[in-house]
Amino acid sequence: GENVEQHPSTLSVQEGDSAVIKCTYSDSASNYFPWYKQELGKGPQLIIDIRSNVGEKKDQRIAVTLNKTAKHFSLHITETQPEDSAVYFCAASMADRGSTLGRLYFGRGTQLTVWP
Amino acid sequence: GAGVSQSPSNKVTEKGKDVELRCDPISGHTALYWYRQSLGQGLEFLIYFQGNSAPDKSGLPSDRFSAERTGGSVSTLTIQRTQQEDSAVYLCASSLRGGPTYEQYFGPGTRLTVT
Repeated sequence: GENVEQHPSTLSVQEGDSAVIKCTYSDSASNYFPWYKQELGKGPQLIIDIRSNVGEKKDQRIAVTLNKTAKHFSLHITETQPEDSAVYFCAASMADRGSTLGRLYFGRGTQLTVWP
Repeated sequence: GAGVSQSPSNKVTEKGKDVELRCDPISGHTALYWYRQSLGQGLEFLIYFQGNSAPDKSGLPSDRFSAERTGGSVSTLTIQRTQQEDSAVYLCASSLRGGPTYEQYFGPGTRLTVT
């Protein structure tokens, strides 16, 4: 099965700085890469995702980049705010549109702390 | 609308006892997932239900773990003869359809402590 590695495990930044979290995957057939954010005491929540037919996707202050050749993808958060503090999980899957098969393989998570 | 709910929110049990954890998915969601979250271990997939299909049980760590989903809605995860290593947060998620590209909506989890 797929193996997803995520780094770093912890990340501390000053408010206003940028934060980058990186993930690698092992199965070249993987083509769908979501990111989830988990706030303290809550379940994870999808924040952004990318498919392998694009190299970058942005949504306001967050962006995800994908390098299929190197089999790695990254989450970029700009102008960080204290409310960005959470655990972030990357995931990978081989996903066929309309198929009910397959599941997400998650990384181990990154604890992001944004200091005011 | 109502999200995914799980009960109990916390459960403390003695080693060797059986426990049942409950998940109420979002109404109309056909897919339901169980995950285990141990400290520093990320999200460990346990089992996946999709409609009336046979569940994907490939993530269950031992035969002490089982799950069922009644009427395509509520699901119960049962752990028999609990061990200390079973201590973790157990998360349930549901999605509108099966397959990884449909957003999974997670519940708040059940924190299980085995003493």
